[in-house]
Amino acid sequence: KNEVEQSPQNLTAQEGEFITINCSYSVGISALHWLQQHPGGGIVSLFMLSSGKKKHGRLIATINIQEKHSSLHITASHPRDSAVYICAVDRDDKIIFGKGTRLHILP
Amino acid sequence: KAGVTQTPRYLIKTRGQQVTLSCSPISGHRSVSWYQQTPGQGLQFLFEYFSETQRNKGNFPGRFSGRQFSNSRSEMNVSTLELGDSALYLCASSHRVPSYEQYFGPGTRLTVT
Repeated sequence: KNEVEQSPQNLTAQEGEFITINCSYSVGISALHWLQQHPGGGIVSLFMLSSGKKKHGRLIATINIQEKHSSLHITASHPRDSAVYICAVDRDDKIIFGKGTRLHILP
Repeated sequence: KAGVTQTPRYLIKTRGQQVTLSCSPISGHRSVSWYQQTPGQGLQFLFEYFSETQRNKGNFPGRFSGRQFSNSRSEMNVSTLELGDSALYLCASSHRVPSYEQYFGPGTRLTVT
């Protein structure tokens, strides 16, 4: 079993829909990251969090340390949000990545 | 402020050869981490350097090595290339250890034939 599990693996939605991507982990962590990767490979760090909730524009990330679970929400989704979203956790000064969620927003 | 740069962006090598990839971090960042991304395994941590010292290493064979210079620029080397080494190699820099926000470079796409 992977130490970091993401769901769903693939998600297609209509423009404007509210999107939720989930991440569960099985190890103790010091922080959790949400990353966005567009076609072509470039990765952008969206959030780094160790507790609570963070918001940036239409993106919201939450983490529940007790339940070892984090969610990434996208409000009013747009085709430019189409990308792979990757959850990663910091453990023992190393980063462990989830397999990613491929999101496709249809216009 | 300039972002993380990686050179070269694309590289084609033959099995058995060796390759050196370079990463220049954001000015002021002293931590550089390297990652390998393949379709099958996804993103995997290779190693992290901080102030010229390797702090951590992932589960990769000794053919994969790296170093960091006094200006924080880092190189990674893969010797005796195998077909399975074909991947996107990403580096990321941060102010400190991985628990701080990382800024990724565009990656070097290595193809081994």
